[in-house]
Amino acid sequence: AQTVTQSQPEMSVQEAETVTLSCTYDTSESDYYLFWYKQPPSRQMILVIRQEAYKQQNATENRFSVNFQKAAKSFSLKISDSQLGDAAMYFCAYRKTGNQFYFGTGTSLTVIP
Amino acid sequence: DVKVTQSSRYLVKRTGEKVFLECVQDMDHENMFWYRQDPGLGLRLIYFSYDVKMKEKGDIPEGYSVSREKKERFSLILESASTNQTSMYLCASSLLLGYTEAFFGQGTRLTVV
Repeated sequence: AQTVTQSQPEMSVQEAETVTLSCTYDTSESDYYLFWYKQPPSRQMILVIRQEAYKQQNATENRFSVNFQKAAKSFSLKISDSQLGDAAMYFCAYRKTGNQFYFGTGTSLTVIP
Repeated sequence: DVKVTQSSRYLVKRTGEKVFLECVQDMDHENMFWYRQDPGLGLRLIYFSYDVKMKEKGDIPEGYSVSREKKERFSLILESASTNQTSMYLCASSLLLGYTEAFFGQGTRLTVV
């Protein structure tokens, strides 16, 4: 089974600053998808950003961007200009098309006013 | 917008009871998933289904079963609830193929006493 590792159980960032959340994964596949999900306290899990493995260009969504290093099997999430509403649990996920999603153990992000 | 709806937000059940958790999606997705979320363990897959009446075991199927009689509905069944099944349960759905994420329900917090 594929594994997804998030080595930072907790992170904190000052409001308006930048923070990077780390994720590594293990796979022998060449074509797959990677995702970052956000789960605010007591609220629904929502997609933040996604990346196709065959695309070399890093995905960006407004203040959220990724650093995808395929050879290193690394997929980090950068949050710029952090806002109080960014406080949440963040999960990294891997999927090979047609198959299940594999999730990391999550990183709890605190935003300090 | 895709909507995944779980029948209960909070449930309290007694040890030994048979428990049904229901999930409905409205986007004609082939794949449906049941995850269990525990602190420090992330999301662990219990069962998933890629078609009506089809099911596959995930990483922690023991003590659970599932039913998918209609494409839009995926039920998780705890045959005889135990205290170690106290957890947050998340349902998700996705298309079978392609560049697509999983969409999540709001979660069911189950407490077994």
